Amino acid sequence: EAQVTQNPRYLITVTGKKLTVTCSQNMNHEYMSWYRQDPGLGLRQIYYSMNVEVTDKGDVPEGYKVSRKEKRNFPLILESPSPNQTSLYFCASSTTDSWGYTFGSGTRLTVV
Amino acid sequence: DQQVKQNSPSLSVQEGRISILNCDYTNSMFDYFLWYKKYPAEGPTFLISISSIKDKNEDGRFTVFLNKSAKHLSLHIVPSQPGDSAVYFCAEENFGNEKLTFGTGTRLTIIP
Repeated sequence: EAQVTQNPRYLITVTGKKLTVTCSQNMNHEYMSWYRQDPGLGLRQIYYSMNVEVTDKGDVPEGYKVSRKEKRNFPLILESPSPNQTSLYFCASSTTDSWGYTFGSGTRLTVV
Repeated sequence: DQQVKQNSPSLSVQEGRISILNCDYTNSMFDYFLWYKKYPAEGPTFLISISSIKDKNEDGRFTVFLNKSAKHLSLHIVPSQPGDSAVYFCAEENFGNEKLTFGTGTRLTIIP
């Protein structure tokens, strides 16, 4: 089944404790992206990657890092999480040959 | 400043009637608009799209209308069904850079 898999689904952590949210897709898509969803703000892009070793900032990149060492994986790294990063995070992938994105099921992160 | 706006955070419609969701945009330099549907605890899923060179696209019960002079987009669902209850996001895309810019979403509730 074609899908984007994120882990974990839920995470509660403390301020300053580094964490990684993993994202993997099995569709051989070139493009991958991370979004966060917050009430009243919709989905905002954090980082994206056009292909392996090619990453760039989205609209809200502060406090986040990403890497794209393999085509299928695009982890999101929070080096020193803060409470304002409490949010619902979505990974997505796409290819230039088709419409829109395929999204993962989301990771709900709470930073206390 | 929000480039894609959905001014109605919520909408309730009787089952069998027409649901109309609206979206306004500011950037005229786009290639496509897309609508996504999101259920709780799931990622958004692609619903329907429209090219900038068209003013209407239809897919079953779903029709999207584009009014470029007014910079306005709408999604019509006829007839509305209980399974249509979800949050709907409109998004604009420029083909080639793959970035989707999302609106803030409208929560549609279909009343049986």
